Amino acid sequence: NAGVMQNPRHLVRRRGQEARLRCSPMKGHSHVYWYRQLPEEGLKFMVYLQKENIIDESGMPKERFSAEFPKEGPSILRIQQVVRGDSAAYFCASSLPGTSYEQYFGPGTRLTVT
Amino acid sequence: EDQVTQSPEALRLQEGESSSLNCSYTVSGLRGLFWYRQDPGKGPEFLFTLYSAGEEKEKERLKATLTKKESFLHITAPKPEDSATYLCAVLSTPSGTYKYIFGTGTRLKVLA
Repeated sequence: NAGVMQNPRHLVRRRGQEARLRCSPMKGHSHVYWYRQLPEEGLKFMVYLQKENIIDESGMPKERFSAEFPKEGPSILRIQQVVRGDSAAYFCASSLPGTSYEQYFGPGTRLTVT
Repeated sequence: EDQVTQSPEALRLQEGESSSLNCSYTVSGLRGLFWYRQDPGKGPEFLFTLYSAGEEKEKERLKATLTKKESFLHITAPKPEDSATYLCAVLSTPSGTYKYIFGTGTRLKVLA
C-alpha cells in the first residue's frame, strides 16, 4: 500500500535551468496538491489539481511555474528559468474524491538552485 | 484575511509532562481543521480532521478539540518520540474555491 511518491528527492539546478518535480498520488486518490516550504516557514499552498483539471492555482506564481495532472501518469510541477529564490522543499499531497479533504503527503523534493 | 496562528512556536517538555498546543483561525466558510506531525526532512503525517465545534478526536497520547475560533492538540504524558513539529491547517471554500492554509507549526521537544 504505497503512499504518495515524489521524485526526485533532491534536485540541483543552475540558475536559468528548468526543474521538473513529479508526484504519484496514493492509489485511488484523484486529487493532488502542491505546496512549497521555505526554512522556518509554513507550508504555502500552490495549486490543487484533479485529473486533467486545475481546480485552484491561486497560490502559484504567475510566471515560470506550471502544474499538470494528466489522465495517465504522475502530476508534474514545472519551474522554468529557476532563480535562487526558488530553492525550497516542494511537497505533494493527495486525497480521495469526496468531502473528507484529508491530505496525505509525500516525502518532498528539495530543490537547490546554484 | 484568512489566517491560521499556532502557539507557542516552540515547546520543551519533560517526559510525562502534559501540555496543549493552540491553533487559532479566522476563515470564512470553514470546511475542516487538520492536524499534522512533521519530522525533520520528511513530509507532514496526517493525524486528525475536525469538522465542527465541539468535536474531539483521540489517538494514543494525542487529543484534538475544536471550537469556533481555535483548536487544541493536547499531549498527555508525552514521550521523547513525540518530538516533532505539529502543524495545523484549515480548509475554507470561499466563493467555490478551495483554500488550504497552514500555520507555521509548534516545534515540540520532549526530554527524557
